[in-house]
Amino acid sequence: QSALTQPASVSGSPGQSITISCTGTSSDVGGYNYVSWYQQHPGKVPKLMIYDVNNRPSGVSNRFSGSKSGNTASLTISGLQAEDEADYYCCSYTSSSLVFGGGTKLTVL
Amino acid sequence: EVQLVESGGGLVQPGGSLRLSCAASGFTFSSHWMQWVRQAPGKGLVWVSRIDKDGSVTTYADSVKGRFTISRDNAKNTLYLQMNSLGAEDTAVYYCARGKTRLEAGCWGQGTLVTVSS
Repeated sequence: QSALTQPASVSGSPGQSITISCTGTSSDVGGYNYVSWYQQHPGKVPKLMIYDVNNRPSGVSNRFSGSKSGNTASLTISGLQAEDEADYYCCSYTSSSLVFGGGTKLTVL
Repeated sequence: EVQLVESGGGLVQPGGSLRLSCAASGFTFSSHWMQWVRQAPGKGLVWVSRIDKDGSVTTYADSVKGRFTISRDNAKNTLYLQMNSLGAEDTAVYYCARGKTRLEAGCWGQGTLVTVSS
């Protein structure tokens, strides 16, 4: 049940694209196509942005996309907007649990 | 509309117990796995526990195993988390959420704060 590894922070300017990585093991990220990503603004409940590696729930902007290669998943946000500034958490299903990453603070410069 | 409403949080002394509840409405509660997730002040999300549709399968994070018990009452559409032997490290906002392989969109409670302090 070790946490997935995410960078503590990333930043980008409006209009740019950024990518947040999420590294696990063959027992979590690499073993299942059940990686999800959550956005959390300060004081708010987390919001599901991507599920099953690369699927967007209804209502989530197509500027958000996900991918996976081996034991590493990635969240890409294109056309950065001020409202994207938030904390982002990856999460993977395992046979016995869910496991989250430590979170990445996205700053829009 | 899916609604999950947690209750039962509050201030408790170290070594004490609390039982959290999560009242579900707007969906067929008995058809869904449910989870508890927590977030310590200023920290990240941490998975706590999950339970299958009829309550026969339960799993726990190592940090709470043997101290916390997840359960559900499908007749009352309610999820529970019994927390014993609480320590300062258990201080967090506790969220209930619907889902098995992910915490589904729009299916989180608003969270209930548990503070363990003397």
